[in-house]
Amino acid sequence: AQSVSQHNHHVILSEAASLELGCNYSYGGTVNLFWYVQYPGQHLQLLLKYFSGDPLVKGIKGFEAEFIKSKFSFNLRKPSVQWSDTAEYFCAVTRNTGFQKLVFGTGTRLLVSP
Amino acid sequence: GAVVSQHPSRVICKSGTSVKIECRSLDFQATTMFWYRQFPKKSLMLMATSNEGSKATYEQGVEKDKFLINHASLTLSTLTVTSAHPEDSSFYICSASPQRTSGRMETQYFGPGTRLLVL
Repeated sequence: AQSVSQHNHHVILSEAASLELGCNYSYGGTVNLFWYVQYPGQHLQLLLKYFSGDPLVKGIKGFEAEFIKSKFSFNLRKPSVQWSDTAEYFCAVTRNTGFQKLVFGTGTRLLVSP
Repeated sequence: GAVVSQHPSRVICKSGTSVKIECRSLDFQATTMFWYRQFPKKSLMLMATSNEGSKATYEQGVEKDKFLINHASLTLSTLTVTSAHPEDSSFYICSASPQRTSGRMETQYFGPGTRLLVL
């Protein structure tokens, strides 16, 4: 079965530190990849997505992610985090076929201290 | 653009009653809507996929007679939790995917969620 792994469950950083959150998936075919963010008390918002093309994807709020097909990975990065980045981050994957079932990772809770 | 709303945002009900949750795509037409359940400190679990004008497709382990889904129009899907019990208490989230024009997979946009508490 298709699965998505986020190895970091909790991450604590100081402001201005660099961030990298890991995401690995198990499906061997062509995939579409997403990172969603859920700020405290708010709904899921799309940070960025990869369908095809340049494997380095830039999203909103200074986030980027790199798709490395050989490693089945789609890690999320930000060079300098802010206190307002405190949130839960979810990686999600869907097959590049007609059916759009999203499979979510377990999430990473990021706490940025001022 | 791409706003999805849910109503109500939270509901408390007595055990044995039914609760209806609405999911609306406000500024786009959604061929497909999805219903998820999120447990505390857990990820989202897909419950069912709802296509306009047809029966919903339920994930394994989800009781279709308990979680009734209706997708009557391209902007509205409803989830009815029938004969709710305390173990149904959870955070229910819907998402909607815009109507496809090219056959390419579209992004899902999520609603704010509905917190259900069954006493």
